[in-house]
Amino acid sequence: ILNVEQSPQSLHVQEGDSTNFTCSFPSSNFYALHWYRWETAKSPEALFVMTLNGDEKKKGRISATLNTKEGYSYLYIKGSQPEDSATYLCASQRSNDYKLSFGAGTTVTVRA
Amino acid sequence: DGGITQSPKYLFRKEGQNVTLSCEQNLNHDAMYWYRQDPGQGLRLIYYSQIVNDFQKGDIAEGYSVSREKKESFPLTVTSAQKNPTAFYLCASRETGGNTEAFFGQGTRLTVV
Repeated sequence: ILNVEQSPQSLHVQEGDSTNFTCSFPSSNFYALHWYRWETAKSPEALFVMTLNGDEKKKGRISATLNTKEGYSYLYIKGSQPEDSATYLCASQRSNDYKLSFGAGTTVTVRA
Repeated sequence: DGGITQSPKYLFRKEGQNVTLSCEQNLNHDAMYWYRQDPGQGLRLIYYSQIVNDFQKGDIAEGYSVSREKKESFPLTVTSAQKNPTAFYLCASRETGGNTEAFFGQGTRLTVV
């Protein structure tokens, strides 16, 4: 993996269902993996910054896991609510460089 | 309130003119970034700066220039050499210390006609 890639590009979820999606990133010289939520008409806001292989982080109904050896991270939304509708971005940081490279995002639409 | 401010929110320019987008932060962050977003694409890095008077090219720096004369300010100039300048531009900042989160401005939508 040379770039940060996210899949799927978009998904629709029924309210109350759980969902997850993937971020793939270069595993060489890995330093940190960021997740952001970007709601319409707002600025992106940080969810998690993860650094350790096997790390799991949780914020409310949203959680994330990290595999630095194979270069992927999953974001999970449990019991989706309409307010979870947003674009979720991940960003890779390598070797303590300040450069942050983003994926194209996964747009989640939660249907009531 | 602490935060990062971009101005203006909407900007229209004629083709061939240079235009400067403003980004100011009062978070005392050392690192600042400019990203561009096009429809259906993610955030692409234009320039970033780790400290005053220093900045590095990102992945799509051609046709852009920046300066970092003050810690609080990181203006982006879109020059006439940028072939497709119409886009949404986002500025961000971070603390030093490696694995810290980025804070974003509200963005500037530039339309070149």
